Parts: sequence; C-alpha cells; structure tokens
Amino acid sequence: DIQMTQSPSSLSASVGDRVTITCRANQNINTYLNWYQKKPGKAPKLLIYAASSLQSGVPSRFSGSGSGTDFTLTISSLQPEDFATFYCQQSYRTPFTFGPGTTVDI
Amino acid sequence: QVQLQESGPGLVKPSQTLSLTCTVSGGSISTGGYYWSWLRQHPGTGLEWIGYSYYSGSPHYNPSFRSRAIISVDRSNNQFSLSLSSVTAADTAVYYCASHVVQGGLASPEYFHPWGQGTLVTVSS
Repeated sequence: DIQMTQSPSSLSASVGDRVTITCRANQNINTYLNWYQKKPGKAPKLLIYAASSLQSGVPSRFSGSGSGTDFTLTISSLQPEDFATFYCQQSYRTPFTFGPGTTVDI
Repeated sequence: QVQLQESGPGLVKPSQTLSLTCTVSGGSISTGGYYWSWLRQHPGTGLEWIGYSYYSGSPHYNPSFRSRAIISVDRSNNQFSLSLSSVTAADTAVYYCASHVVQGGLASPEYFHPWGQGTLVTVSS
C-alpha cells in the first residue's frame, strides 16, 4: 500500500492567516493527489483534485501544488468556515489511501 | 446534482454481518465514469477505503477487506450496498458511501465526490 503522511498534524491559526499543509507519499504518485475538508458530523468535501485542480464551487483561496511525492495545500486567507480537518488522498493505485489528517483550529 | 444517503442498522452484534445501503439521487447509478464506493472512519482516526463497484459489476476491494466485504449494485433502485461479514468491535466506525469519479482519458484524475453524510455503526453485544 502507498503510505501517506501529513504535517503538521494540527495547527492553530487566525482568520486572515495564510495556512500551508504538506502531504507526502512514500512513492511516486505523479499528480494523483486529492485534498478533502472534513468537519465534525459532516461528509468529507472535495477541495482539490489532481494535485492542483480546484473543485467546482470551492473558493479560490484554496490551492494545491506538487507532484511525485510532495504536495501542498494552501489557504491564502483563512476564513471562519475553514476551521476543519484536512486530508490528502492518493488515487494512483488501489487500495486508495489517505493521510492521517491536519486539524486547523483557532 | 448527485446526492448519496446511507441507511442501515446502527448496531450490529459481533460475528454478524453489517449491511448498509446507499441511495443515489439526482442522477443514474448507471452513468459511466462513476465507481460506487464504501469508506469508513474509525472514531478519532483517519479514512479507510473499503472498495467499489461499477454499475455493471466487477467490484474491487481493499485487500484488508477482500475476504469479508461484498459490494453490490441495484440498478433498478439506484442503490448500492455493502455487506461486511464476521464483524468485531474493530469494525465500529462511521461508514460513508461515495462516488469515485474517473474523468476518462489518459492519466485521468480520479477522486471521491460526492460523499454521503455517513452513518455510525457500532459493533456490540
């Protein structure tokens, strides 16, 4: 299985801050990397697919970059509704695997 | 817009079979490019992919579940289902259904979207 790691595991930030989350795969996954936002009691929401493509309807303050083994999710100006847990996921090979998550809180 | 909703018992006894159904609305389960998936999240931990099936069959499973999981598609009712046999307390989790989208073409992106709201299944006697 492809192992995914994320850093940091959690971070504290304020509204308006620029936030960067890193995801790393233990082998080359090209750009088969997706990002999801998860709030308690809610379904995961797709933010970014194929490493850098913004899902329709997702605010442009979210962006993704990277290829190969190292990827980044950036929130350019954190908004109150962005406090959540963020997961990366590789779709390069089954079984599809997720990172352990990064929780962004105040 | 496609929406998914899980349903099924919230409590299952150890050694029994967990059975969940996902109802697809706003679109046809027979649409090409969608693989109907089940995932789960243990309390306080990360997400785990169980498997998926195309509308015409050919399910594919995470090897961690291959011997216990069965995913089937009911085209007439626009639903797909998960059966997980011989459950233990370790199978207590929130179970999600989701559409695994394959956009098509060479090196096409693949991702899970949308997801159902999730349903908590507790395994306990």
